[in-house]
Amino acid sequence: DGGITQSPKYLFRKEGQNVTLSCEQNLNHDAMYWYRQDPGQGLRLIYYSQIVNDFQKGDIAEGYSVSREKKESFPLTVTSAQKNPTAFYLCASSIESGEWNYGYTFGSGTRLTVV
Amino acid sequence: QKEVEQNSGPLSVPEGAIASLNCTYSDRGSQSFFWYRQYSGKSPELIMSIYSNGDKEDGRFTAQLNKASQYVSLLIRDSQPSDSATYLCAVKTPRGSARQLTFGSGTQLTVLP
Repeated sequence: DGGITQSPKYLFRKEGQNVTLSCEQNLNHDAMYWYRQDPGQGLRLIYYSQIVNDFQKGDIAEGYSVSREKKESFPLTVTSAQKNPTAFYLCASSIESGEWNYGYTFGSGTRLTVV
Repeated sequence: QKEVEQNSGPLSVPEGAIASLNCTYSDRGSQSFFWYRQYSGKSPELIMSIYSNGDKEDGRFTAQLNKASQYVSLLIRDSQPSDSATYLCAVKTPRGSARQLTFGSGTQLTVLP
């Protein structure tokens, strides 16, 4: 079955540590996105990629980095510069970023906690 | 002003009643609108999309769009306890060559047995 796989489901980060969240899709979608969700809040866009080897900052990119070396993969690194990383991270994809009539498909999410 | 605003919750309705969820948006360039349902601790799932003014029905769900008023709503008829979740309104707006979804903060719905 096609879908988006995020791993790990739970992740614990120590102070000053970089961690990488994995996102893989087999939907053959061109566009991929990373969102952050805090308790009781909506989704805030961190980074997005419309095509391989290209990505753009979203609304809250500081302290995060991404890569898009393959169409299927869009990993997110939470760096030590991100001072409040505890949140629920969601990866999403869509057929093509220029289309109006398609929503996003989401992965199951990674819950990151600073310990 | 937030780009996408949803009516403040939480919202509680008795089982069998109609639940009404509202959303307004600020960008008149927006062309497509989506409702996602998110159960606690889970990821959002798409339940409705609407692109033209008027009503769109799918089972117990009806989405309503009024572009002139920049307003979109979701009605859930015959509400069931399994409908208890947070509902996210998402609006697709132009961002350069891309069309991106901007999400509201969500309305938490509880259906009381």
